[in-house]
Amino acid sequence: GESVGLHLPTLSVQEGDNSIINCAYSNSASDYFIWYKQESGKGPQFIIDIRSNMDKRQGQRVTVLLNKTVKHLSLQIAATQPGDSAVYFCAEIGAGGGNKLTFGTGTQLKVEL
Amino acid sequence: KAGVTQTPRYLIKTRGQQVTLSCSPISGHRSVSWYQQTPGQGLQFLFEYFSETQRNKGNFPGRFSGRQFSNSRSEMNVSTLELGDSALYLCASMTGGTPGNTIYFGEGSWLTVV
Repeated sequence: GESVGLHLPTLSVQEGDNSIINCAYSNSASDYFIWYKQESGKGPQFIIDIRSNMDKRQGQRVTVLLNKTVKHLSLQIAATQPGDSAVYFCAEIGAGGGNKLTFGTGTQLKVEL
Repeated sequence: KAGVTQTPRYLIKTRGQQVTLSCSPISGHRSVSWYQQTPGQGLQFLFEYFSETQRNKGNFPGRFSGRQFSNSRSEMNVSTLELGDSALYLCASMTGGTPGNTIYFGEGSWLTVV
């Protein structure tokens, strides 16, 4: 069945370093991918998205890379700040799947001062 | 403009009772979907409504139901509550019917079943 999984449950980085959070997906028909950030006690917050016809998309301090050949998605955060500490989820929407998001298990990002 | 609003934020119910959660999407958004978040299962899709019609349904028992009103507000109901229903219930809204529009989440309703 469909599944989206994250490679690392916890990632610790030093403040100012770049962070890379990875995600593997299994549904080759997935059409749209999103990264969300969730802080403790809050709902998921949209970070950046990418369509399947793109390989890379950049936002403010964030970049998402999509490798359809190996079904891999990554989120790069430049100059990581303490406020970036949170759980990060990748999510996918399959073609024809309406707005049903399939989420990965999440990665806890810890920024050390 | 206001974000996705969910009420109540916190509630405690007893096994066997039923609960209704409410979601007001962002103004102009017609798609509303619901998710359950637990430490063990992560974020799981419950159902999605678009223009008052259920368009997608996840793998949850029939005790979980929902509806959407003409003003796009949505409610979900869980009947005969079980301890395992304790979770954060999240509502998400989106502008239209096709993927590719940003999906925004509310802060969620924390349900504890005792």
